Amino acid sequence: SQQGEEDPQALSIQEGENATMNCSYKTSINNLQWYRQNSGRGLVHLILIRSNEREKHSGRLRVTLDTSKKSSSLLITASRAADTASYFCATDARGNNRLAFGKGNQVVVIP
Amino acid sequence: DTGVSQDPRHKITKRGQNVTFRCDPISEHNRLYWYRQTLGQGPEFLTYFQNEAQLEKSRLLSDRFSAERPKGSFSTLEIQRTEQGDSAMYLCASSPLRANIQYFGAGTRLSVL
Repeated sequence: SQQGEEDPQALSIQEGENATMNCSYKTSINNLQWYRQNSGRGLVHLILIRSNEREKHSGRLRVTLDTSKKSSSLLITASRAADTASYFCATDARGNNRLAFGKGNQVVVIP
Repeated sequence: DTGVSQDPRHKITKRGQNVTFRCDPISEHNRLYWYRQTLGQGPEFLTYFQNEAQLEKSRLLSDRFSAERPKGSFSTLEIQRTEQGDSAMYLCASSPLRANIQYFGAGTRLSVL
């Protein structure tokens, strides 16, 4: 079964607004990652947060991790039309090299 | 281009036929992964290699599926006697030995008629 599991949201926002999506998981993890997928393409790694970290920033991205609640959030600030994509969280359990992906959040940014 | 490449990008086949996909990882990456993704879902792990050794296989990988990475470079995924339920996007990814950030190819979309 998949560990990462996003809130099944389809977000539609205006350019310039912020987009927030959430992810929950079930077991202990080594790290949690977020990936982006444009329609019909492969996934692109966005950001990795380790289990001992609570927050991480990368450009317009902000990720939080709450291991007590087994949840993470991804915030995209000042969204652009090019941010239109599906966003997946993926967990890496300790001692395991497989990534368990959630179902993804589809984000549409309207110019 | 030094990214992960997959071939073919699209494959249409009839039920019962065999198909083979190829993945060329980033050259210095020791690890290579195969995932399957169906519409509206996240990728599901199938198998992974460290160099030429296949270290883990998912229960999703039935006896009709076989993967190889003979020289620790490119990999092939073969599906024998394809079924309509095999229709999906097959994604390959690679990563360096000491990091678990995975770099994905564009995928091979399989349609079984």
